[in-house]
Amino acid sequence: EDQVTQSPEALRLQEGESSSLNCSYTVSGLRGLFWYRQDPGKGPEFLFTLYSAGEEKEKERLKATLTKKESFLHITAPKPEDSATYLCAVQASYNNNDMRFGAGTRLTVKP
Amino acid sequence: KAGVTQTPRYLIKTRGQQVTLSCSPISGHRSVSWYQQTPGQGLQFLFEYFSETQRNKGNFPGRFSGRQFSNSRSEMNVSTLELGDSALYLCASSLAPGGNYGYTFGSGTRLTVV
Repeated sequence: EDQVTQSPEALRLQEGESSSLNCSYTVSGLRGLFWYRQDPGKGPEFLFTLYSAGEEKEKERLKATLTKKESFLHITAPKPEDSATYLCAVQASYNNNDMRFGAGTRLTVKP
Repeated sequence: KAGVTQTPRYLIKTRGQQVTLSCSPISGHRSVSWYQQTPGQGLQFLFEYFSETQRNKGNFPGRFSGRQFSNSRSEMNVSTLELGDSALYLCASSLAPGGNYGYTFGSGTRLTVV
């Protein structure tokens, strides 16, 4: 069965303190791995899609990388406004319509 | 450009009742997917509609159903509500089926069953 595990569950950082979030997955044939950001009371907001091992995508202070077993979301010099829950999701090539989400990492950045 | 609109934002229902939630996707998006989000289970896929046809359904009982209209607006219905149905119901729209290029989510409908 496809599985997505995110770690840590929660992460508290000081402003400017860089770190990484992890998303480990097991899926039979990865079609795509997705990162979303979710603020309290809102729906997830799409950040990145990664399709193959070795691929990297960047957006402002965020950089997502992908290997055959996991993805990392690196946050460089975070600011308080980066505080949110970050969700990882995988889509299997055999089941185009079922995007399986991880439980998320709740990030808090203190000024 | 208007985002994904879900109505109502909040609902309180009694066990045994039924409820209908509505979703208007981004203009031009023909694919609408529904997810249930709870603290314990996270985001779980309910179903996806594309051009008025249900393309896939998650592992939920038959009490959960949906439909899509010709203007791509979608509704989901939950009959015979149970306490465990309390959750945030999220609608996501995308250009292509399956959200391959990323979903745009609405803010959700918070359903509380008492």
